[in-house]
Amino acid sequence: SQTIHQWPATLVQPVGSPLSLECTVEGTSNPNLYWYRQAAGRGLQLLFYSVGIGQISSEVPQNLSASRPQDRQFILSSKKLLLSDSGFYLCAWSDGQFYPTYGYTFGSGTRLTVV
Amino acid sequence: TQLLEQSPQFLSIQEGENLTVYCNSSSVFSSLQWYRQEPGEGPVLLVTVVTGGEVKKLKRLTFQFGDARKDSSLHITAAQTGDTGLYLCAVGGRDDKIIFGKGTRLHILP
Repeated sequence: SQTIHQWPATLVQPVGSPLSLECTVEGTSNPNLYWYRQAAGRGLQLLFYSVGIGQISSEVPQNLSASRPQDRQFILSSKKLLLSDSGFYLCAWSDGQFYPTYGYTFGSGTRLTVV
Repeated sequence: TQLLEQSPQFLSIQEGENLTVYCNSSSVFSSLQWYRQEPGEGPVLLVTVVTGGEVKKLKRLTFQFGDARKDSSLHITAAQTGDTGLYLCAVGGRDDKIIFGKGTRLHILP
């Protein structure tokens, strides 16, 4: 069966520090991968998505970047965090062959607080 | 402008009552999904509807896709405290990207 792992679960970082959040998927190959951010009262905002290794599409201009160095690994990074980067970050995957029936499968999220 | 409007934003009712929440848009969609999210967790897919007028049931939850495929409703019969959570509707976009509504935060009182 497919599983998605996301870590860390919580993170407190000072302004100006770097960020690296990692997401890995098991049990499938060539998944579509996504990074979302969820801020209170603002719903889920799509940040990046990837349909293959090295293929990254950005949805919004921001202080963050994403990379996909391996088929089932998706990394969210920042060189210098801003206070506005605080939020709940969610990684998700989908199988293009079975979408939309099976929708997205989300990781358990990372709560990032920038202080 | 939000593509998907969910209403109400918040709903607090007693256990055992019935409720309906809505997801509306002016656009037509080929499919629509409902997710439930509990605090500190990622959303979990409840159902996908693809045909106008389609009704799907998941135990006490009934999902309906509007005839014109622009809107959907979620009806819960005899709500239980375990139904508490954030209910999100979502629609597909390009490259399998999906867009979420802001959700309805449901709280069932014991």
